[in-house]
Amino acid sequence: KQEVTQIPAALSVPEGENLVLNCSFTDSAIYNLQWFRQDPGKGLTSLLLIQSSQREQTSGRLNASLDKSSGRSTLYIAASQPGDSATYLCAVSDLTGTASKLTFGTGTRLQVTL
Amino acid sequence: NAGVTQTPKFRVLKTGQSMTLLCAQDMNHEYMYWYRQDPGMGLRLIHYSVGEGTTAKGEVPDGYNVSRLKKQNFLLGLESAAPSQTSVYFCASSYPPSGTGPDEQYFGPGTRLTVT
Repeated sequence: KQEVTQIPAALSVPEGENLVLNCSFTDSAIYNLQWFRQDPGKGLTSLLLIQSSQREQTSGRLNASLDKSSGRSTLYIAASQPGDSATYLCAVSDLTGTASKLTFGTGTRLQVTL
Repeated sequence: NAGVTQTPKFRVLKTGQSMTLLCAQDMNHEYMYWYRQDPGMGLRLIHYSVGEGTTAKGEVPDGYNVSRLKKQNFLLGLESAAPSQTSVYFCASSYPPSGTGPDEQYFGPGTRLTVT
């Protein structure tokens, strides 16, 4: 059974700092990996999707990498801002029959302070 | 486009009551999913659908039923609510897997359900 772990569970950094969030998964037979952002009391917003054949994806100040063989992904946030404060979720996708299924980590709660 | 919408946003039920959560999407997605999110646990898949008229069980299906009568709607039913079903419920939708694998899932804002 796939298990996804995110470390650290919580992180507080001062504004402007670069930071890295970690995600690890136990079964390397994945199709893709998604990073989501969740604000308190809100739904999930997809940030980046990395296909299993890719090594990284970039969007603005965000860069996500994937090392499928070692079961690891990182989300790099450059020049953090208070608006980046949220919980970041990692999820891996596999195929069962024709349906894709996401297995989620429990998230990293990020606070960026002024 | 509204994307994925969910109704209601909040609900309080007493043990044994029933209710239906509605998910609607306007992106013409074939696939739809229901998840629940509990403190200290990742989102877990309850049921999913790969097309109109089809449904399948996910990781935690017990106590829930679903229906997909129209492509744009996916309903989650609780026939006899239990306190263990207190949770935040999220609906998601996506296109079918492409040549590169499963497609990106888009999530609704969630329904916060409390069962007393």
